Amino acid sequence: GAVVSQHPSWVICKSGTSVKIECRSLDFQATTMFWYRQFPKQSLMLMATSNEGSKATYEQGVEKDKFLINHASLTLSTLTVTSAHPEDSSFYICSVRQGALTDTQYFGPGTRLTVL
Amino acid sequence: AQTVTQSQPEMSVQEAETVTLSCTYDTSENNYYLFWYKQPPSRQMILVIRQEAYKQQNATENRFSVNFQKAAKSFSLKISDSQLGDTAMYFCAFTYQGAQKLVFGQGTRLTINP
Repeated sequence: GAVVSQHPSWVICKSGTSVKIECRSLDFQATTMFWYRQFPKQSLMLMATSNEGSKATYEQGVEKDKFLINHASLTLSTLTVTSAHPEDSSFYICSVRQGALTDTQYFGPGTRLTVL
Repeated sequence: AQTVTQSQPEMSVQEAETVTLSCTYDTSENNYYLFWYKQPPSRQMILVIRQEAYKQQNATENRFSVNFQKAAKSFSLKISDSQLGDTAMYFCAFTYQGAQKLVFGQGTRLTINP
């Protein structure tokens, strides 16, 4: 399977600041990356689908201006949480799909965001 | 719309026992794929097993196997000779050909006791 990294693994920030989370596909070029949010003891909630070189597709209810996604290269996607507030505290996970015609997603280790 | 349902929020078994996790799904698609992912306390999502709907043969990966009942839209995971390291949240997931998204079930928290 694919190897996916995320950085940072844990970040604490003050309310009102912006935080950038990186997701990297280490061993292949990912045309599609996904960003999820997970609350404690709950399932994964898809936030957006990120295709290289084009605008991300956001799920209903996800604020595009708050959660900025950039997929500038085939190995890197970033999620920026702008003007973070305590309610944005969560576990954020990215995943990659190995090729346009395959169906399997491989996940990064996740980033824990705590907003004070 | 596609849905995935895991009806067992929590399960607990003794080490070395066999345990089966349930998953049902609903779809009108013909070409689709089903997955089981494991999320241990580290929270890293790990692919356990994958099944293509067009294949009649149930997928197996070492101690992990599935019982895929297409007509019943059921996709259960059997873990044989369970080990302490199998303790994790297990998510059933679905996607279909041409789709980008994965649809996840609610998860089953499995605890293996020594």
